[in-house]
Order: sequence, then structure tokens, then C-alpha cells
Amino acid sequence: GAVVSQHPSWVICKSGTSVKIECRSLDFQATTMFWYRQFPKQSLMLMATSNEGSKATYEQGVEKDKFLINHASLTLSTLTVTSAHPEDSSFYICSAREDRGYYEQYFGPGTRLTVT
Amino acid sequence: KQEVTQIPAALSVPEGENLVLNCSFTDSAIYNLQWFRQDPGKGLTSLLLIQSSQREQTSGRLNASLDKSSGRSTLYIAASQPGDSATYLCAVSNNAGNMLTFGGGTRLMVKP
Repeated sequence: GAVVSQHPSWVICKSGTSVKIECRSLDFQATTMFWYRQFPKQSLMLMATSNEGSKATYEQGVEKDKFLINHASLTLSTLTVTSAHPEDSSFYICSAREDRGYYEQYFGPGTRLTVT
Repeated sequence: KQEVTQIPAALSVPEGENLVLNCSFTDSAIYNLQWFRQDPGKGLTSLLLIQSSQREQTSGRLNASLDKSSGRSTLYIAASQPGDSATYLCAVSNNAGNMLTFGGGTRLMVKP
């Protein structure tokens, strides 16, 4: 149980285009999901907290108009990178928090974004 | 603001050795602490979760301890194997269901 999927697993896009990444909790409900980014050989940095039915909460320094987050259901959150630039190239990982018990977070397999 | 530090940043050991990875955090008021494994280019696999009221958790060859008052946790790996080679991350949550703050990770290489 407690499986989180991400789609796509990797994507290459051109500068100026937008890319949408999906995060799904497959066998549990998640009112809250988190989006992280990870640069090579670095740890994960939280970008934003996604709450079902309400606006996401962004960490300091993360542009909300550039990284659009939609959490329309209890099992799906999407991250859209708008007007992508090469410096947005990174590994994006989502996690979904169980709405019960120890509120453990389960992580998706990540999405490798390359902007050319 | 919570800060999490992991030492060492990298570790190389021969197969069969027992080893200890260290994690420290600045704010002892944590809700829980998790240890993860990350293989290159992959997502995170949860290894162990320790609630703030607990002192240790065990899973197979892995044992994680928590000393909340001193802001420390250790991950003990017994009889290491080449398949254990990966980056190990610890992360803490300060509130129930809140965001995780990650350490920088320890890159482990177990040589056959």
C-alpha cells in the first residue's frame, strides 16, 4: 500500500514552453501533498505545500506564478512549470501525506525535467 | 528554522562492515524523523520512521535511534552489502503532517 506515482518520469521541453507534472496517491487519500526539487548531488528542497481544494502555500523564493499547483482531488496534485528556462532543469519529487495515523509522507519516483 | 545536518557526506566501506550514519537537527521539538534511501536518479524509499516519543525502530539489518533532547539520530546498518550503496537521507517534521526538512544526505558506497 501507500504508493505514489508521478507522470511523466522524464520530460524534455524547449525554453518558453510549459510542462505539467502529475502526482497521484494510488491507494490512499491525501489532503496534503508536497512538491520538492532536487539539484544534482544536493538534497531535497521544499517548493510548496499543496492542499486539496485550496491554494498552495509556497516557500520563500519560489515564484507562485511560475510554478502553478493545482490539487483538485484527494488523490491528484499537478505542478505546472510555466515559461520554462534551462535553470528550471531539475528533478522534481512529490510526496503525499496520509490523512490518518502517523501522517507519514510517501514519495513519488520523481520527474526529471530538462529544458533546452 | 529547523536545520538538519548529516555526517559524513560520503562513506566508502568494504562489504560486511557494520556502519553508522549520523543525523543532527537544531530544533528538538520534532513530531517525527524519517530515514530514506535514494538511488541515483530515483525517488525516495522510506526506510524507517521514528515518532518523537520513540527511541528506536528496526527493520531487518537497519536500526535507527532517536535522541530528541540532544537533536540526534543514527542509522545503523549491519553487515553491509554492495546493494546498500545509495544516498541515505534523514528528514524531520516539526508538526503532525507538516513539511519535512531534509539533511544533505550521506552517499554510501559498499565495495564488494
